[in-house]
Amino acid sequence: EIVLTQSPATLSLSPGERATLSCRASQSVSSYLAWYQQKPGQAPRLLIYDASNRATGIPARFSGSGSGTDFTLTISSLEPEDFAVYYCQQRSNWHYTFGQGTKLEIK
Amino acid sequence: EVQLVESGGGLVQPGGSLRLSCSASGFTFSSYAMHWVRQAPGKGLEYVSAISSNGGSTYYADSVKGRFTISRDNSKNTLYLQMSSLRAEDTAVYYCVKANSYGYLDYWGQGTLVTVSS
Repeated sequence: EIVLTQSPATLSLSPGERATLSCRASQSVSSYLAWYQQKPGQAPRLLIYDASNRATGIPARFSGSGSGTDFTLTISSLEPEDFAVYYCQQRSNWHYTFGQGTKLEIK
Repeated sequence: EVQLVESGGGLVQPGGSLRLSCSASGFTFSSYAMHWVRQAPGKGLEYVSAISSNGGSTYYADSVKGRFTISRDNSKNTLYLQMSSLRAEDTAVYYCVKANSYGYLDYWGQGTLVTVSS
């Protein structure tokens, strides 16, 4: 099973700052990686798929990069509604796993 | 508008069984793979199971393999998850999720809570 490790576990930033979240895979997943946002009491929302493609309706301040084993989600300038938990997920050969999540909190 | 509505959750004793259903609307159900993802209280997301658009292929996480069965009825636009030999660690909110054409999880239901306890 491919293990995804996200860092940091918690990120404390202020609105307007830049956020950089990391996801590392235990083996190569090529570009088969997605990022999801989850707010309290809500279902997750797809942000990025295939490592760098924004899903429908996702603001341009969200961007993804990486391939192989190292991936990054960047939020260029944090809005108040961006504070949430973020998960990465890989879909290599119909074997899906999630990272443990990064909580983005207001500083 | 895509809608996914789960039902069938509730309280069940360890070792018991439960069947979850997910009614889908707003898209051509028979054209997309469907998934179940769960989240234990206060914990992260855990992948459970997937089924291809025609039901011919299925996938299970190791934690549920041999105990859970995913199925679908494309004539009824409904996805199912039959859960047996339930354990306390299966307690979670279970989400029904649609995959997009790239295989990623683009629409999620509101979730249904399964509690396994005596």
